[in-house]
Amino acid sequence: GENVEQHPSTLSVQEGDSAVIKCTYSDSASNYFPWYKQELGKGPQLIIDIRSNVGEKKDQRIAVTLNKTAKHFSLHITETQPEDSAVYFCAASKDNAGNMLTFGGGTRLMVKP
Amino acid sequence: DVKVTQSSRYLVKRTGEKVFLECVQDMDHENMFWYRQDPGLGLRLIYFSYDVKMKEKGDIPEGYSVSREKKERFSLILESASTNQTSMYLCASIQGAGGANVLTFGAGSRLTVL
Repeated sequence: GENVEQHPSTLSVQEGDSAVIKCTYSDSASNYFPWYKQELGKGPQLIIDIRSNVGEKKDQRIAVTLNKTAKHFSLHITETQPEDSAVYFCAASKDNAGNMLTFGGGTRLMVKP
Repeated sequence: DVKVTQSSRYLVKRTGEKVFLECVQDMDHENMFWYRQDPGLGLRLIYFSYDVKMKEKGDIPEGYSVSREKKERFSLILESASTNQTSMYLCASIQGAGGANVLTFGAGSRLTVL
């Protein structure tokens, strides 16, 4: 089955700096790659996703890039703010419908004011 | 606003007890899921359901069962709780075929088995 590895497990940045979280996946048939943010005491929430027919997607301060050949995708957060502090999960799926997601191990991002 | 509600936020149970975790969604979603969240392991799928009375095993179903008697409700059952089932449990739902594919999670149920 699919295996998703996520790095780093923890990341500490200064407010205003950029943060990058990287994931690799094993199944070349995977075609949908969402990113979830989990704030303290809450369930994960979708923040951005990308499908295999595009290489990059941006939404304000966050962007995701996908390299299908290398089977890796990354989350980029620019101009980080304290409210970006959370646990971030990447995931991959073959069914293009958000079902049957395989998640990475998570990254705890801490943005220091 | 789309909502998935997990009735118990914190539970403490003893080894061997039967445990019920309840999840209700108010979005008329067809598909519902139970995940287990452990540090460093991310979210792992326990069971999912595509329809009422229908269930499918996920990646780690051992020691768990589920029940979906109504479309909006999906229950996770630990027949005989063990200490290695101490974890955070997350319920989620999604529209299903042809719908918006945003997996929506509940806030989680933290279970401690003593």
